[in-house]
Amino acid sequence: GAVVSQHPSWVICKSGTSVKIECRSLDFQATTMFWYRQFPKQSLMLMATSNEGSKATYEQGVEKDKFLINHASLTLSTLTVTSAHPEDSSFYICSAIEGGANYGYTFGSGTRLTVV
Amino acid sequence: QKEVEQNSGPLSVPEGAIASLNCTYSDRGSQSFFWYRQYSGKSPELIMSIYSNGDKEDGRFTAQLNKASQYVSLLIRDSQPSDSATYLCAVNKGSARQLTFGSGTQLTVLP
Repeated sequence: GAVVSQHPSWVICKSGTSVKIECRSLDFQATTMFWYRQFPKQSLMLMATSNEGSKATYEQGVEKDKFLINHASLTLSTLTVTSAHPEDSSFYICSAIEGGANYGYTFGSGTRLTVV
Repeated sequence: QKEVEQNSGPLSVPEGAIASLNCTYSDRGSQSFFWYRQYSGKSPELIMSIYSNGDKEDGRFTAQLNKASQYVSLLIRDSQPSDSATYLCAVNKGSARQLTFGSGTQLTVLP
């Protein structure tokens, strides 16, 4: 089946620094990837939709200048949290679609970000 | 009204019993429905997808969809302690490719 690899699985960084998270589709081409954020005991909240070769579409309330998304190829999307603050500490998860919208939403393993 | 609503639980059932998880959605244009299981600290894993009214069975899991009532459910037969997790209902509206998730129901299966 479709596999989405996400790295790193966890990261600790200091306030004010930037962190890059990678999401790769290993055995299929993903024209669209999604980035979610999940706080403890809450559900997944969509942050942005990443389309290969074009600008990401951000959900309302998500700062595009703080959460930089790059989808430069059909197998790689990156999320960079810039000038991280403790309130950015969360579980970040990417998801990719293989094929049509009704088929194959595959999730990465997630990245636990802790900003100290 | 939330787009996708689930009872947050916690729901506890004894081992071997049937666990019933429910989800309602607000947009009648929704076309695809998914149940995910999420263990603590892990990302969601797909259990079932359903697109048409009626029942869909896969092993111990049965998904039920009623579009007229805007209701989708998941039944887990012969529940096992390893089924203890948070179950997320997700809906796709078709025109928008992203999934909208419910808040999840925490299930505990007691040995």
